[in-house]
Amino acid sequence: EAGVAQSPRYKIIEKRQSVAFWCNPISGHATLYWYQQILGQGPKLLIQFQNNGVVDDSQLPKDRFSAERLKGVDSTLKIQPAKLEDSAVYLCASSLGQAREKLFFGSGTQLSVL
Amino acid sequence: SQQGEEDPQALSIQEGENATMNCSYKTSINNLQWYRQNSGRGLVHLILIRSNEREKHSGRLRVTLDTSKKSSSLLITASRAADTASYFCATDDWGEKLTFGTGTRLTIIP
Repeated sequence: EAGVAQSPRYKIIEKRQSVAFWCNPISGHATLYWYQQILGQGPKLLIQFQNNGVVDDSQLPKDRFSAERLKGVDSTLKIQPAKLEDSAVYLCASSLGQAREKLFFGSGTQLSVL
Repeated sequence: SQQGEEDPQALSIQEGENATMNCSYKTSINNLQWYRQNSGRGLVHLILIRSNEREKHSGRLRVTLDTSKKSSSLLITASRAADTASYFCATDDWGEKLTFGTGTRLTIIP
């Protein structure tokens, strides 16, 4: 079974630039999550999709972050413009059903904002 | 905000010893999950315990849950070098979100 795919693996940008991350969840998984993990901390949920609808985006900084899930499969997360404090690992995860149980994570995108 | 808080923040033990880490949380939960994260990788689901369960086993893992104290513990028996990783608890608070704790960094010394 193929896992959750994320790209790119690493990204270095300057502040005020824009960046986009891509995620392909496990086939058949209805729920997709984007988490932000700052060094030394636990992952923080940014947005949760159920198929292609947003379930929870309460912690997404909507003035600079946006996300979409096209056709209920792949998803992209965008930051525009980036700030220094956005330096983190961005993790995509998926789960089979609606319940937030047994999430499968990708390897993440490590973002450095200079 | 972080719901769960793991204790200790870091733990070093000799290979073959048992490792115990704890998680405390603040609100009523539906279930509590433990995940492992190797350096530079994503998280891997280890075990889930529901609010009406008190103890659960999976291989060398034993998880306990005390809802009256709002705490859980993860025991790894007969530790191996490959167990070196960060361990996170995550709580599902009845339909809101799955919230991760701050993690315990476990180092197994060969």
